[in-house]
Amino acid sequence: GAGVSQSPRYKVAKRGQDVALRCDPISGHVSLFWYQQALGQGPEFLTYFQNEAQLDKSGLPSDRFFAERPEGSVSTLKIQRTQQEDSAVYLCASSDGGGAGNIQYFGAGTRLSVL
Amino acid sequence: GQQLNQSPQSMFIQEGEDVSMNCTSSSIFNTWLWYKQDPGEGPVLLIALYKAGELTSNGRLTAQFGITRKDSFLNISASIPSDVGIYFCAGRAMNRDDKIIFGKGTRLHILP
Repeated sequence: GAGVSQSPRYKVAKRGQDVALRCDPISGHVSLFWYQQALGQGPEFLTYFQNEAQLDKSGLPSDRFFAERPEGSVSTLKIQRTQQEDSAVYLCASSDGGGAGNIQYFGAGTRLSVL
Repeated sequence: GQQLNQSPQSMFIQEGEDVSMNCTSSSIFNTWLWYKQDPGEGPVLLIALYKAGELTSNGRLTAQFGITRKDSFLNISASIPSDVGIYFCAGRAMNRDDKIIFGKGTRLHILP
């Protein structure tokens, strides 16, 4: 596709429910990133993949958060037993390589509301 | 952890005015980035800076990578209504090519 695609755009979950958020990166992009953006804040790094390898997951806030990219393309961010503090916009970004010079292109995000 | 201080938090200006915003970090960065985010959308890259002292323009936008590697500014000249939005500075720390750290944003409002 032309850009990074995320689905669903909006997700409402009851507290305790599990959710799965999908990211389709730009075709051929090696690197994929997940960010969490709370209301009124800047995006905060969650995790990073290079192909199918998860190279950095230092930003995941708890063991309820899990991300995968099994075939090095589409990625899923899963949140188990959602809590109200998980309410945020989850942004996915992809880039065509590693290194300081690469540019990350962002999707429109999934807005998660936990009731 | 590393933090970016972005200021001002918000700006209210008249159309046609120039705008300036800046960002400082607690540690040295090897890349500074400026993004704009519209409501319901993801951030879009405006300008990327890779060398200390670098001054780069993109149309009416100009940004500089500070000499100390700990700061950057973004200027917008002759603002127009479509400049409204949230502007984020972001940077990569030395030896951390993967992670981008974002500031909290500057919300630009243009008065009618």
